[in-house]
Amino acid sequence: GAVVSQHPSRVICKSGTSVKIECRSLDFQATTMFWYRQFPKKSLMLMATSNEGSKATYEQGVEKDKFLINHASLTLSTLTVTSAHPEDSSFYICSASRAGRGTEAFFGQGTRLTVV
Amino acid sequence: AQTVTQSQPEMSVQEAETVTLSCTYDTSESDYYLFWYKQPPSRQMILVIRQEAYKQQNATENRFSVNFQKAAKSFSLKISDSQLGDAAMYFCAYNNNDMRFGAGTRLTVKP
Repeated sequence: GAVVSQHPSRVICKSGTSVKIECRSLDFQATTMFWYRQFPKKSLMLMATSNEGSKATYEQGVEKDKFLINHASLTLSTLTVTSAHPEDSSFYICSASRAGRGTEAFFGQGTRLTVV
Repeated sequence: AQTVTQSQPEMSVQEAETVTLSCTYDTSESDYYLFWYKQPPSRQMILVIRQEAYKQQNATENRFSVNFQKAAKSFSLKISDSQLGDAAMYFCAYNNNDMRFGAGTRLTVKP
């Protein structure tokens, strides 16, 4: 299968600061990347869908000004949590798909964000 | 909006036995894709099996098979000859333009 690398795997930041999470498709071009948030013992909640070269589409209830998503190339998408607060602490997972509706999504390893 | 429902928060199976995990979904589309993903304690999402809605034949991958009932919008996963390594969270997912997940089922395998 294809490889998606997510970095960092763990990050601790102070309240009020911003943190950037990177998602890279290492061996394929990802036309679409997805960002999920997972609370402890819960499912993956889709936050936003990003297509290369265009603005991300955010799910209802997700603050686009807080969770900035950039998909500048076919192999890289970034999620920036701005002005982080303790309630933003969570596990964030990205996934990437090749062109074509319904194709398998390949997942990154996830990032555990702790805001102190 | 599409929704995916997994009604079994937890399931348990004896090693070498068979277990079935349930999943139902709601959609008005006729063409879509369904997946089962496994999430072990490492939290890395691993694809278990994939089903295309326009195919009537149930997908099979070694010990894993699905029972896809399109009219009933049901997509259950059967794990045969369960192994200790099968213990994990299992998520059912629906994909049309983006992938939506069910709440998950935690599977325990007893030795």
